[in-house]
Amino acid sequence: AQSVAQPEDQVNVAEGNPLTVKCTYSVSGNPYLFWYVQYPNRGLQFLLKYITGDNLVKGSYGFEAEFNKSQTSFHLKKPSALVSDSALYFCAVRDMKNFNKFYFGSGTKLNVKP
Amino acid sequence: KAGVTQTPRYLIKTRGQQVTLSCSPISGHRSVSWYQQTPGQGLQFLFEYFSETQRNKGNFPGRFSGRQFSNSRSEMNVSTLELGDSALYLCASSLGFSYNEQFFGPGTRLTVL
Repeated sequence: AQSVAQPEDQVNVAEGNPLTVKCTYSVSGNPYLFWYVQYPNRGLQFLLKYITGDNLVKGSYGFEAEFNKSQTSFHLKKPSALVSDSALYFCAVRDMKNFNKFYFGSGTKLNVKP
Repeated sequence: KAGVTQTPRYLIKTRGQQVTLSCSPISGHRSVSWYQQTPGQGLQFLFEYFSETQRNKGNFPGRFSGRQFSNSRSEMNVSTLELGDSALYLCASSLGFSYNEQFFGPGTRLTVL
């Protein structure tokens, strides 16, 4: 069974509009959740993480994510998208019940148009 | 602080050969993980090392192996290369606790002909 899923291969949004990149997980116990971004020809960069506490976590470049335990989701959000946000976004989960393995989603390509 | 470095950045090999990739983690990081990234399969976890011990392993054949040295530097070896091994191999380091985020290197692009 897939431990983390990103249901959208691609998300298109106009500059200045809010954006959401979706992520759901399916690990038992309390998950550690992460978002990473990969710009063209560059490595993955850490954006933010949820470990415990406040369900809304804030990260780099104005991004935030909301942990929803009942829906097992960890959607990435930004109030106002920039063209420079265009990149590949990965959700990841640390499965504490499976040898702490790190699982990445398939990635979502975000296109922000001027 | 210097980031994660990987060498070489690009590599071309032929089927049947073997290859060794190297990763130097961020200073002070004790955990190193390896991933294979391909357009079709996405990011797949290979293995993770912590203090010279393999802490966990993904679902890859035994041709894929790794090790970590006392200075936390890590190497990954792939023997008897197959065409399907062509991929970007990413190394990531972290402090080592489960809640720590990983910092990724630029990757090694391996092409198998």
